[in-house]
Amino acid sequence: DAKTTQPPSMDCAEGRAANLPCNHSTISGNEYVYWYRQIHSQGPQYIIHGLKNNETNEMASLIITEDRKSSTLILPHATLRDTAVYYCIVHSGQNFVFGPGTRLSVLP
Amino acid sequence: GAVVSQHPSRVICKSGTSVKIECRSLDFQATTMFWYRQFPKQSLMLMATSNEGSKATYEQGVEKDKFLINHASLTLSTLTVTSAHPEDSSFYICSAEAEISYEQYFGPGTRLTVT
Repeated sequence: DAKTTQPPSMDCAEGRAANLPCNHSTISGNEYVYWYRQIHSQGPQYIIHGLKNNETNEMASLIITEDRKSSTLILPHATLRDTAVYYCIVHSGQNFVFGPGTRLSVLP
Repeated sequence: GAVVSQHPSRVICKSGTSVKIECRSLDFQATTMFWYRQFPKQSLMLMATSNEGSKATYEQGVEKDKFLINHASLTLSTLTVTSAHPEDSSFYICSAEAEISYEQYFGPGTRLTVT
């Protein structure tokens, strides 16, 4: 079973920041938090990952709470092309376990 | 970044026939590849773990004689769906774990439709 809990769906206005939460209260010390997204009929696309420090790249920012029990993925300026299912995954090697994810709809 | 390809991207076959799907790591070597399938409106589910030069490890409920996996080189794994039936229609996705960095990269997926 997936070790994360995410809201099933969210809406965001185009141009605004999209903040996607994820709970992972049972995360262990050596597990990273990964975020992927899947646009319809495509393979998962890597977004970002982190262990305990906040991370930022050209796609997004990842904010991990100090106790590591939850995190937030931030898309700073959402566009229509960011409409997808976003998966938060805790991972320490081997395969990724995908939960149902959050379906983000970016609205014009 | 690292690229994983899958071929074909979509295939339609008749019930009872076999279909082979290829997963290639294009610019890195992968000792481990993973095969997932995804039914409509569902999440990805791991089918099997493929290690180069050894037998694949299948998840519970996945028939190893029906879903044949071959990982003969560090850049290629194949999944053969034997005697396909309409219920095997699904989106099949592979991922490859880079030998050096252990990072995983996903392929674009293969849409299988069995008529």
